[in-house]
Amino acid sequence: GESVGLHLPTLSVQEGDNSIINCAYSNSASDYFIWYKQESGKGPQFIIDIRSNMDKRQGQRVTVLLNKTVKHLSLQIAATQPGDSAVYFCAEKAAGNKLTFGGGTRVLVKP
Amino acid sequence: KAGVTQTPRYLIKTRGQQVTLSCSPISGHRSVSWYQQTPGQGLQFLFEYFSETQRNKGNFPGRFSGRQFSNSRSEMNVSTLELGDSALYLCASSLVADQETQYFGPGTRLLVL
Repeated sequence: GESVGLHLPTLSVQEGDNSIINCAYSNSASDYFIWYKQESGKGPQFIIDIRSNMDKRQGQRVTVLLNKTVKHLSLQIAATQPGDSAVYFCAEKAAGNKLTFGGGTRVLVKP
Repeated sequence: KAGVTQTPRYLIKTRGQQVTLSCSPISGHRSVSWYQQTPGQGLQFLFEYFSETQRNKGNFPGRFSGRQFSNSRSEMNVSTLELGDSALYLCASSLVADQETQYFGPGTRLLVL
């Protein structure tokens, strides 16, 4: 079936550096994409979303890029902080379908 | 505004038993989705309810069921528990039935012995 996957299971980044988390999706009909952050012992927390009619969207310290040609999604975190250490999930959805989550990438911020 | 709440937070059961988990969505949210999260399978969709009706269902056996009440609160039930049902069960709510901008609860961690 359709699935969403991540290239890197673990990402170590120095505090203050920028982080880039990648995600590949396979359903070309997907028109809505979301990034979630999950800290230990907590449920996923919404970070940012993007629709397929856009290729970039910015939030506070985060930017999501969407490349529909190669079905690739990325999350950029600027000036990574210790509080950014968590597991990050991408998810995709086609109209009328359920939300499908990727496997997750763990981000470890080194002081 | 209070977030999504789930009860209980932790649960230990034995094989063959059944369990009921509860979810209270954010006030005003009418859609509730349930997910199972395990280290091996990640986040998997169980079902979605909107206005007391199941709108979508994932690929889980019939032992997994759910319902939604008129106040949008939802319950999920797992009968004849198996060891593999040990997982974090997450509930998410959204305003309308599109699963977009869902807000997750803290989850119920179920351990089946």
